[in-house]
Amino acid sequence: DTAVSQTPKYLVTQMGNDKSIKCEQNLGHDTMYWYKQDSKKFLKIMFSYNNKELIINETVPNRFSPKSPDKAHLNLHINSLELGDSAVYFCASSQASGGGTEAFFGQGTRLTVV
Amino acid sequence: GESVGLHLPTLSVQEGDNSIINCAYSNSASDYFIWYKQESGKGPQFIIDIRSNMDKRQGQRVTVLLNKTVKHLSLQIAATQPGDSAVYFCAENDGTYKYIFGTGTRLKVLA
Repeated sequence: DTAVSQTPKYLVTQMGNDKSIKCEQNLGHDTMYWYKQDSKKFLKIMFSYNNKELIINETVPNRFSPKSPDKAHLNLHINSLELGDSAVYFCASSQASGGGTEAFFGQGTRLTVV
Repeated sequence: GESVGLHLPTLSVQEGDNSIINCAYSNSASDYFIWYKQESGKGPQFIIDIRSNMDKRQGQRVTVLLNKTVKHLSLQIAATQPGDSAVYFCAENDGTYKYIFGTGTRLKVLA
């Protein structure tokens, strides 16, 4: 059973398009995250949600809109895709605010904008 | 947000030797620290964690050391194996709904 699953694994699209990445966790966690990993492997937090409420938005352009329909899901919609959006996007979840417990990560979605 | 100009450090070790990967963290308020391993094409996987009230924690073949005075973490891997080849990240958390990751170190195990 995959704890944190995200789809699709690969996404190739043209500039200007709109795309979504879906994430689900079956761990019963309260908190979910989106991270972006660039070509140099740097992992940067984008958003965190707790019980479906947005907690953190790390100055991400408003072309990126996360949506959490319930505690187990956190989807990421991206409008008007740009070349610089090409990266690997990771969904993660943790218990509560993460204090004292680790985050579990999905397998990643490699987004390529051409 | 991009790590422009930053270079992913690489540590090369002989199979069977011990590896030490270092990490400097930034937030004095961080009270929980994790080491993650990321293999090619996969997400980060938990290896070991440590809370700020400890300075050492051991797992199976891995040990994490925490020096709060200089805000430094290290991961020691004993008897390094080919399967240990990956990128290793430290992460810090201060209970505010985010894990801040270090830049990562690529570990290459030489046969």
